[in-house]
Amino acid sequence: DADVTQTPRNRITKTGKRIMLECSQTKGHDRMYWYRQDPGLGLRLIYYSFDVKDINKGEISDGYSVSRQAQAKFSLSLESAIPNQTALYFCATSSAATYEQYFGPGTRLTVT
Amino acid sequence: GEDVEQSLFLSVREGDSSVINCTYTDSSSTYLYWYKQEPGAGLQLLTYIFSNMDMKQDQRLTVLLNKKDKHLSLRIADTQTGDSAIYFCAETPQDSSYKLIFGSGTRLLVRP
Repeated sequence: DADVTQTPRNRITKTGKRIMLECSQTKGHDRMYWYRQDPGLGLRLIYYSFDVKDINKGEISDGYSVSRQAQAKFSLSLESAIPNQTALYFCATSSAATYEQYFGPGTRLTVT
Repeated sequence: GEDVEQSLFLSVREGDSSVINCTYTDSSSTYLYWYKQEPGAGLQLLTYIFSNMDMKQDQRLTVLLNKKDKHLSLRIADTQTGDSAIYFCAETPQDSSYKLIFGSGTRLLVRP
């Protein structure tokens, strides 16, 4: 089984709808991250969490919110989706002991 | 500010060596990474190099770091069709233990 899973893998939604993307991990890592990937661009950090009570904004957090329900679960919400939030979204995890981040398979989100 | 740049595309013939290049601006980077992204998949960490190293070799992969020129390269020996993917360079700034600054990715196409 994959160490980092994301649901759904693909989602099409309409402008103005609320949508939640979920991430779960079995690696036992404290740190979790949400990134966004746009065509021709690298990944950009939306939010990160060092533990259940420590959540921080990344470089592009406007229009997004997150919830760390447990050490293993970190969800990303779009309160009112807009078309320029159409992108590939990745969850990642890491331990505090190393710099390596482990990525989920991604969620392709289309906002029409 | 922190910036990582890569060329967008590289095409090589199967069996040849591939060299993917990356330049970065943050001279205080601690770790530099190469990630691989195959179609429909998340990012997979291929290798990384600590900033006090010049070279790291791992089977078919050779990473070269020129700190003076802020240049990182990934050489893949005996490139195979299964190496076709997008390769991302990333760095961790000295002032952050969690942050990854990604380049925009180089798409490697291996021709039979």
